[in-house]
Amino acid sequence: LAKTTQPISMDSYEGQEVNITCSHNNIATNDYITWYQQFPSQGPRFIIQGYKTKVTNEVASLFIPADRKSSTLSLPRVSLSDTAVYYCLVGDIGAGGYNKLIFGAGTRLAVHP
Amino acid sequence: GAGVSQSPRYKVAKRGQDVALRCDPISGHVSLFWYQQALGQGPEFLTYFQNEAQLDKSGLPSDRFFAERPEGSVSTLKIQRTQQEDSAVYLCASSFQAGQGGTEAFFGQGTRLTVV
Repeated sequence: LAKTTQPISMDSYEGQEVNITCSHNNIATNDYITWYQQFPSQGPRFIIQGYKTKVTNEVASLFIPADRKSSTLSLPRVSLSDTAVYYCLVGDIGAGGYNKLIFGAGTRLAVHP
Repeated sequence: GAGVSQSPRYKVAKRGQDVALRCDPISGHVSLFWYQQALGQGPEFLTYFQNEAQLDKSGLPSDRFFAERPEGSVSTLKIQRTQQEDSAVYLCASSFQAGQGGTEAFFGQGTRLTVV
């Protein structure tokens, strides 16, 4: 059973706001929600993380409703350089109690001129 | 260094050859992860170290894959008798935290392995 579900791909245009929603119906009480961004030929890069309500940083905002069964990554005014794959991760605990990072297929965002 | 460093960036191996991939994590980071990423797919977990202890190797696909981190810093992923299906990008990540809770992991650029 997949831990997270997100759209396979999205298209947008420069200057628009992009919202990528991730479903995580089986999220556990202690789980954080983390988003990573990956450009071609690079490793994933941490974007934002949250537990509940709203988190904002210089790159993005993360909206988490009260039931925490979904989350939305919001990228304001995207540019061509935001074209990448975006991964939504929900905490998974590995042997020994560490926070195991499990990636799904991600959402391929294409930003057009 | 400023970030996670992996070497080599590219490796071409003949089928049956052994390879060793190196990861230099950020200094002081307790946790170290290895991932395998096939073309067009998300990274697949291979193994996890907490300092020098390999706490989780559940993702290693076969006994041809072996990882070590003897002094709790540099790690090496070794693949013996490489097969064509081993062709992928191998990513290393490190993080300061070890326990439960949110984790910000820092990834290297990866090593692209091609088995011919």
